[in-house]
Amino acid sequence: QVQLQESGPGLLKPSETLSLTCTVSGGSVISSNWWIWVRQPPGKGLEWIGETYHSGSTNYNPSLKGRVSVSVDKSKNQFSLKLTSVTAADTAVYYCARRPYYAVDVWGQGTMVTVSS
Amino acid sequence: EIVLTQSPGTLSLSPGERATLSCRASQSVSSSYLAWYQQKLGQPPRLLISGASSRATGIPDRFSGSGSGTDFTLTISRLEPEDFAVYYCQQFGGSPMYTFGQGTKLEIK
Repeated sequence: QVQLQESGPGLLKPSETLSLTCTVSGGSVISSNWWIWVRQPPGKGLEWIGETYHSGSTNYNPSLKGRVSVSVDKSKNQFSLKLTSVTAADTAVYYCARRPYYAVDVWGQGTMVTVSS
Repeated sequence: EIVLTQSPGTLSLSPGERATLSCRASQSVSSSYLAWYQQKLGQPPRLLISGASSRATGIPDRFSGSGSGTDFTLTISRLEPEDFAVYYCQQFGGSPMYTFGQGTKLEIK
């Protein structure tokens, strides 16, 4: 079965760029799925960040647009998230996940990212 | 942006009781575009229901979803100890913004 694993720095300073990678195992990024990112600030609810398809199509949360980009690396069977100019408000657990239709059916375990000077 | 409002914020029940969780949308959402998730502390969310009423693979039949338009419901017919968690609804009708509700915490009474 498909498994997802997030990786990337856990601590950033304000104004830096958050870069996370999600490695897909047991399946291919070149499939009929959207590959998505969701975050969850400590003690709070889920926030949809954005998604990408292997064709290069993307959709983003309008509240983050301008700072966020999501892309697929077919050669590495990975997809990635970049969020620029981070602040403390971007501190959260970041999840990568799969959306085959109108539901998210596979999730990574999540990675905590803290923004602090 | 479609806003989802879940109620109650916290639901206190005992094992064996029936739980009814509500998700109300700020505008009409196709039933095909409404999902429910369960999240336990320190874990990622788990898909329970898609298309408002279709149980995901491996989800016990004590979980059921219903509703249409702006009002959707997740029902747990007879609570088991492992069901106490936070539950979220999510809509996919407001492309490209697929919002979540704020969550309902189901706690042991």
